Amino acid sequence: RKEVEQDPGPFNVPEGATVAFNCTYSNSASQSFFWYRQDCRKEPKLLMSVYSSGNEDGRFTAQLNRASQYISLLIRDSKLSDSATYLCVVASNSGYALNFGKGTSLLVTP
Amino acid sequence: DTGVSQDPRHKITKRGQNVTFRCDPISEHNRLYWYRQTLGQGPEFLTYFQNEAQLEKSRLLSDRFSAERPKGSFSTLEIQRTEQGDSAMYLCASSLAQAGGYTFGSGTRLTVV
Repeated sequence: RKEVEQDPGPFNVPEGATVAFNCTYSNSASQSFFWYRQDCRKEPKLLMSVYSSGNEDGRFTAQLNRASQYISLLIRDSKLSDSATYLCVVASNSGYALNFGKGTSLLVTP
Repeated sequence: DTGVSQDPRHKITKRGQNVTFRCDPISEHNRLYWYRQTLGQGPEFLTYFQNEAQLEKSRLLSDRFSAERPKGSFSTLEIQRTEQGDSAMYLCASSLAQAGGYTFGSGTRLTVV
């Protein structure tokens, strides 16, 4: 079983839509969780950390469910510029290495 | 430019040749990481340095791979006797604190022919 599993998509949504991505992770001892964004042929960039209490950054909301070992990302009022691959990331036991999912592809259309 | 720099951006090499990549992290970052990414996959962890000490290595890092960070600043990743399966994007990242606050470089794209 992969450490981090995501639906690869693609998710095609119209501008202004709300879209949600989920991922599951296998290591119940993991302590740190993140969402990264990766544009085509570019490096990954940290979008936001994910906390147990849930956290919001503008149009983006991240949630963590430790009991079910899943993480979610909600994007409200989608913009064309949100088109990218969203990588679910879980820290390893050591806390240094990050385990990345394969990513979920989002395409926001006019 | 105060970001993470990687050199070269692209490398095409013949199978069996050795290649070396360089990474210059953000200057105040003491942690440096190497990852590998192939098409359609997320980045895979290769190795981690804290200052000059290599503290963690993935089992993906076969004996043909070696990484160094001799003075705790820049790092090199060498691949000996390259194979076609080594073709990938090699990403370097650095951070100051615990994993998560990574800044990635633009990567070195390796093609082995």
